[in-house]
Amino acid sequence: NAGVTQTPKFRVLKTGQSMTLLCAQDMNHEYMYWYRQDPGMGLRLIHYSVGEGTTAKGEVPDGYNVSRLKKQNFLLGLESAAPSQTSVYFCASNLRGGGADNEQFFGPGTRLTVL
Amino acid sequence: GENVEQHPSTLSVQEGDSAVIKCTYSDSASNYFPWYKQELGKGPQLIIDIRSNVGEKKDQRIAVTLNKTAKHFSLHITETQPEDSAVYFCAASRPGGGNKLTFGTGTQLKVEL
Repeated sequence: NAGVTQTPKFRVLKTGQSMTLLCAQDMNHEYMYWYRQDPGMGLRLIHYSVGEGTTAKGEVPDGYNVSRLKKQNFLLGLESAAPSQTSVYFCASNLRGGGADNEQFFGPGTRLTVL
Repeated sequence: GENVEQHPSTLSVQEGDSAVIKCTYSDSASNYFPWYKQELGKGPQLIIDIRSNVGEKKDQRIAVTLNKTAKHFSLHITETQPEDSAVYFCAASRPGGGNKLTFGTGTQLKVEL
């Protein structure tokens, strides 16, 4: 199992450009998440999905859109990038539900710089 | 919503010493408290977690304690080793709602030889 993979690993954008970050998981997990990590601020939830075809807003959703057309993929889009979106982006997935299934598995991250 | 505070932001210990990281949370409905370790250039990885019906949990050199009344939980690492050097994050989650985690701001642990 590859676990959670993210594409690309690095990207540099100019202000106003658009891009899509791809997250894929091969663990048949139901829930998927996008976080951003900034120095001194921990990880903050952008959007999440509790199943194929569903998405919901997290703590910092403005400027981002997401889609979950297939269970194994979760896409994060930036329509018009801004320097404030310079960050490291992490995708995570979770089997489903409570009990012993709460662990979130994280991808290796995408480092995005917006000039 | 939930707010998780974590202290200290940096911690330096000598190899073999113990390290303690503390977190507080605000939402009394939170019932799941994981700790993640993040090594440089990698994604966070779960190292231990605890649920609100348990006061303490141990796994070899690491342990977590939870005080529901005071709404705080702590990570304890004993006999620290250089490979323990990393950033540690606490988090909290309440039932339902997609198992969303609210993270603390992280602690940079440095274990010196």
